Amino acid sequence: QKEVEQDPGPLSVPEGAIVSLNCTYSNSAFQYFMWYRQYSRKGPELLMYTYSSGNKEDGRFTAQVDKSSKYISLFIRDSQPSDSATYLCAMNTNAGKSTFGDGTTLTVKP
Amino acid sequence: DSGVTQTPKHLITATGQRVTLRCSPRSGDLSVYWYQQSLDQGLQFLIQYYNGEERAKGNILERFSAQQFPDLHSELNLSSLELGDSALYFCASSVLGDLSYNEQFFGPGTRLTVL
Repeated sequence: QKEVEQDPGPLSVPEGAIVSLNCTYSNSAFQYFMWYRQYSRKGPELLMYTYSSGNKEDGRFTAQVDKSSKYISLFIRDSQPSDSATYLCAMNTNAGKSTFGDGTTLTVKP
Repeated sequence: DSGVTQTPKHLITATGQRVTLRCSPRSGDLSVYWYQQSLDQGLQFLIQYYNGEERAKGNILERFSAQQFPDLHSELNLSSLELGDSALYFCASSVLGDLSYNEQFFGPGTRLTVL
């Protein structure tokens, strides 16, 4: 079983929809939680980073971490066609090694 | 543009061959990470170097090796190539080698095709 499981998708939504992307994990040593966005044929870029349980907001993006349930989510409000990409969750232990989910491909249709 | 450069962009080679992928980190970044991304495996962490020293190791095969040079650029060497090594190889860099978290900036990747 993988340490990090990500909802596989793909996901297709109309412009303006609220999108929820989710990952679960099994390793309780994970302390740092990230969301990366990867456009086709490009390298991933960091969207959000959280350390503790709770919510973190940045514009239209909200990252949520529930350590007790070992569950993290990324919410995108008022989704735009430019949000169409693959979203990867990633997690670090204090040893620094990053473990990534397999990614969810999102398409936002105008 | 993340500031991380990788060469070459594309590489096509045959099974059994050896290739070298090159990465130049962002100016000022001391840490370099290598990742492999294939369709069926997702993004897999291979290895991290910090200021010339190996810092963390992931699922890197024995046929693969890496190093970071005094000018901080890094090379990933892949030998005895197999069809299954076909993938996108990403390099990322960060300022610190902090064994907790620091933001990684990814390069555009090298697409390796093994025929």
